[in-house]
Amino acid sequence: DTEVTQTPKHLVMGMTNKKSLKCEQHMGHRAMYWYKQKAKKPPELMFVYSYEKLSINESVPSRFSPECPNSSLLNLHLHALQPEDSALYLCASSQIGTGGRGSLFFGEGSRLTVL
Amino acid sequence: AQSVTQLDSHVSVSEGTPVLLRCNYSSSYSPSLFWYVQHPNKGLQLLLKYTSAATLVKGINGFEAEFKKSETSFHLTKPSAHMSDAAEYFCVVSHASGSARQLTFGSGTQLTVLP
Repeated sequence: DTEVTQTPKHLVMGMTNKKSLKCEQHMGHRAMYWYKQKAKKPPELMFVYSYEKLSINESVPSRFSPECPNSSLLNLHLHALQPEDSALYLCASSQIGTGGRGSLFFGEGSRLTVL
Repeated sequence: AQSVTQLDSHVSVSEGTPVLLRCNYSSSYSPSLFWYVQHPNKGLQLLLKYTSAATLVKGINGFEAEFKKSETSFHLTKPSAHMSDAAEYFCVVSHASGSARQLTFGSGTQLTVLP
């Protein structure tokens, strides 16, 4: 069982809708990540939060807005998306302070379809 | 700079026969290497990791990988494939980015297990 929980598992939205994806972990990790994964491709990094502060934004369009309200929660707010934004959105978390050696733990993802 | 090359996009084996998924890496640092597995419509699950301890790494579900610095390889093996092993496998190299991790993914290998 994954220790990173993502909701909802599936989301269908129109291009004018506003919705949010949620991610929660209780492993005490202080780094949290959003990835986007298209079919048959590896995940692509979108955002990284360290100690609840945005540390990496991989030039993601502003229609995606991340938020880290506390050390256990990570949200991704969605507004005015395009059909090409349809993908599996993965949340992950990791410890801080182990260099590159620490593992990322992934949730099961939220499958987003934009009509 | 880091990169990962998975040498086979698709591998097909019969149930009960050995599995070999090949991965070569390039890293400016002493690398941390991982194998993740992704079953259909699921998140990524960590199979095993190498972080400069033993070069032969044992993971979950009978998988293991050997780090060979001279060949810059980190191939994944399993002595006997099971139907449940059918999935996408990603070889990953990691390095620290500030206090978080930056992952570089290979393009993935789709493993098919035939009855």
